[in-house]
Amino acid sequence: IQLTQSPSFLSASVGDRVTITCRASQGISSYLAWYQQKPGTAPKLLIYAASTLQSGVPSRFSGSGSGTEFTLTISSLQPEDFATYYCQQLNSYPLTFGGGTKVEIK
Amino acid sequence: EVQLVESGGGLVQPGGSLGLSCAASGFTFSSYSMNWVRQAPGKGLEWVSYISSSSSTISYADSVKGRFTISRDNAKNSLYLQMNSLRAEDTAVYYCARVSSRGYPDYWGQGTLVTVSS
Repeated sequence: IQLTQSPSFLSASVGDRVTITCRASQGISSYLAWYQQKPGTAPKLLIYAASTLQSGVPSRFSGSGSGTEFTLTISSLQPEDFATYYCQQLNSYPLTFGGGTKVEIK
Repeated sequence: EVQLVESGGGLVQPGGSLGLSCAASGFTFSSYSMNWVRQAPGKGLEWVSYISSSSSTISYADSVKGRFTISRDNAKNSLYLQMNSLRAEDTAVYYCARVSSRGYPDYWGQGTLVTVSS
């Protein structure tokens, strides 16, 4: 199953609302996770089951979607949110990741 | 506190072998499935392999099938990845990750770098 993330690069300002899309090449129900990765560190789980916020993750992060189209939304971008975001499908093996979306400061 | 610490990375020649380890602490290791995920320099994430808590279910990415072997020792709270016939394209940071009870990788190690080069 291929995952296509868009955009691959995003330039935004603090306080902006940001939306990242992940499209699956076939239906994956809600078996989708979102991760945040900062340079030199391991990925951090933000959202699982498409829309469930991982414990400890700020509520400005939200996820939605099912089937083949999913979105990650950051309601008000904070300085610590500048990072690369990945989606991952866990519907079937081999597990796959999207290509990533780098969020940079405008 | 959940901790995953990878080790065993380093420089290896093409065609060579290397074994990675992941030491787990802060949780009941024998109750959780585990993954290996890698990231080539400057590239995205690539899932490598999965092993269930009892080792009864194992899966590999096509890119490593037949060359890599995942295993675990629940008595030693450790996860392993034996990598044979290494290629330049296997150069990456290798992460181990715990699979939560809901089926999602919730804790990750800091990674260990494997470089395949002559």
